[in-house]
Amino acid sequence: NAGVTQTPKFQVLKTGQSMTLQCAQDMNHNSMYWYRQDPGMGLRLIYYSASEGTTDKGEVPNGYNVSRLNKREFSLRLESAAPSQTSVYFCASRPTRSTDTQYFGPGTRLTVL
Amino acid sequence: GESVGLHLPTLSVQEGDNSIINCAYSNSASDYFIWYKQESGKGPQFIIDIRSNMDKRQGQRVTVLLNKTVKHLSLQIAATQPGDSAVYFCAENIALDSSYKLIFGSGTRLLVRP
Repeated sequence: NAGVTQTPKFQVLKTGQSMTLQCAQDMNHNSMYWYRQDPGMGLRLIYYSASEGTTDKGEVPNGYNVSRLNKREFSLRLESAAPSQTSVYFCASRPTRSTDTQYFGPGTRLTVL
Repeated sequence: GESVGLHLPTLSVQEGDNSIINCAYSNSASDYFIWYKQESGKGPQFIIDIRSNMDKRQGQRVTVLLNKTVKHLSLQIAATQPGDSAVYFCAENIALDSSYKLIFGSGTRLLVRP
């Protein structure tokens, strides 16, 4: 049981390049989330998926797209990377109830030059 | 707007002392709160949670207190150890149309002096 896994761990992009961050969970959770964390700050929600086949915007969705490929996998895509997207990206998942704990992956550290 | 714990203060404690980390939340309708620990280079790790119908919950060396009147949470760590050094985040649970989301504060850095 690996929990929440993310790939890659590190990535450097040039402005304008695109890439997809991958996330998978093996806990059979319904909901999945993408956050970004900037230095000295908390986590801000980019997009979430309440269940397979649905996705919704969070607090900071601009510049990103997501795909809930199946129940296990939730990917985050940057179509045209900008330096302002330099951050650490965390994927998370949780079951359905309001009092279910949310579990996080180890993060992807992205630098956009 | 939504906000939990706007600052990133640093708390420095002597090994063996008790630590208290505070957090303010903004949404009166939040029904569930979580404390996470984040070590350098890692993802947030669940420590303890509390439902809104409780005012105190204890775990192993950790206690969370909830004061709904003033919308305040605290995390108490007993006999703080060097391994407790990390950034601690509180999070409040917000209902969405078909799911829930967590709103995080900016965190508190805990430094444990040997």
